[in-house]
Amino acid sequence: AQKVTQAQTEISVVEKEDVTLDCVYETRDTTYYLFWYKQPPSGELVFLIRRNSFDEQNEISGRYSWNFQKSTSSFNFTITASQVVDSAVYFCALSSVAAGNKLTFGGGTRVLVKP
Amino acid sequence: KAGVTQTPRYLIKTRGQQVTLSCSPISGHRSVSWYQQTPGQGLQFLFEYFSETQRNKGNFPGRFSGRQFSNSRSEMNVSTLELGDSALYLCASSPDREEQYFGPGTRLTVT
Repeated sequence: AQKVTQAQTEISVVEKEDVTLDCVYETRDTTYYLFWYKQPPSGELVFLIRRNSFDEQNEISGRYSWNFQKSTSSFNFTITASQVVDSAVYFCALSSVAAGNKLTFGGGTRVLVKP
Repeated sequence: KAGVTQTPRYLIKTRGQQVTLSCSPISGHRSVSWYQQTPGQGLQFLFEYFSETQRNKGNFPGRFSGRQFSNSRSEMNVSTLELGDSALYLCASSPDREEQYFGPGTRLTVT
């Protein structure tokens, strides 16, 4: 069975602070994919990034960066210099070749950025 | 390209009724997946259709069913609605097994 754990349920920061969201996953499959999605108050899930299990290279995209560590089964996400528009619920998700296109989501972390 | 569209956006039904939700994927995408989101259970996978065939199924009762048409549009049906079926139903499309792009969802309230 696959499992994704986001231990932080809510994080509150002041604008311009950095925010790091933790994600720990469990899977027996050797080929798998990790995702981060953002869900603003409108409800639509917005795709942010996908990494496969063979690519541990960390990535930076603008104010977003991701840290994938296979040894600790973690796929953490950092927002640098947060802005009010970053306020949303962020979900980490996992799929594998064996599970097809099925995404297993974590419980989500609500990020509140105050001006 | 236009994004994933879902209709209707909001729906209120009475216990015991049935409901049909519709999803139009991104043009060229052949895979459509459905998810249920509730405060208690979070985001849960319902099923996936690819080229008009159900390719994967989650752990939901048989009251939940779906289908996909030749133009990749998909419908989801819930029969004999229960109060616990109140949720945000999200549809996602992808070319095949790549990242999934989600629609705005249909918020179903069962009274």
